Amino acid sequence: GENVEQHPSTLSVQEGDSAVIKCTYSDSASNYFPWYKQELGKRPQLIIDIRSNVGEKKDQRIAVTLNKTAKHFSLHITETQPEDSAVYFCAAASHTGGFKTIFGAGTRLFVKA
Amino acid sequence: DVKVTQSSRYLVKRTGEKVFLECVQDMDHENMFWYRQDPGLGLRLIYFSYDVKMKEKGDIPEGYSVSREKKERFSLILESASTNQTSMYLCASSLPGPTTYEQYFGPGTRLTVT
Repeated sequence: GENVEQHPSTLSVQEGDSAVIKCTYSDSASNYFPWYKQELGKRPQLIIDIRSNVGEKKDQRIAVTLNKTAKHFSLHITETQPEDSAVYFCAAASHTGGFKTIFGAGTRLFVKA
Repeated sequence: DVKVTQSSRYLVKRTGEKVFLECVQDMDHENMFWYRQDPGLGLRLIYFSYDVKMKEKGDIPEGYSVSREKKERFSLILESASTNQTSMYLCASSLPGPTTYEQYFGPGTRLTVT
């Protein structure tokens, strides 16, 4: 079946450094790639997403890149801050067949002050 | 502001019991989802629904069923609860697109089966 692999599972960075999280997906029909952030004890919330017709998208300190040929997409956080500490989930979805969404296993990001 | 609510935050049930988890959204979303969240495994899709009375299996449907009789409500049913179903259960809803596919999550139900 379809799956999404996410690496690393844990990432620790110094405040101000950059953080990169990488995902690969298996379903070539996937055309929507969201990233969710889950703070401790809270529900996941969308932080950025990218569609298959775009190679890169940026929103302030976060950016996402997509390589459809290689089935890779990545999240980049620059100038990290302690409040960026959370679990980040990538996902891949196709808006055919009811929009089934497959999530990666998550990356726990620690930003040390 | 989208609101997704779940019937319980914490639930303790015995092995073999039938368990109902309820999810309600107030934004007229067509799509609704049930996930379970376990450490190191992320969010795994159990079932989803893209319309009233419609349902599709996700990756781990075994031991679960769902019901969507009304657009705003999506229920997850554990027919005979087992200890390996102890987990955090998250419900979500979304529009069908194409403007947005963002999923809005409920607060979660932590289910313990003893």
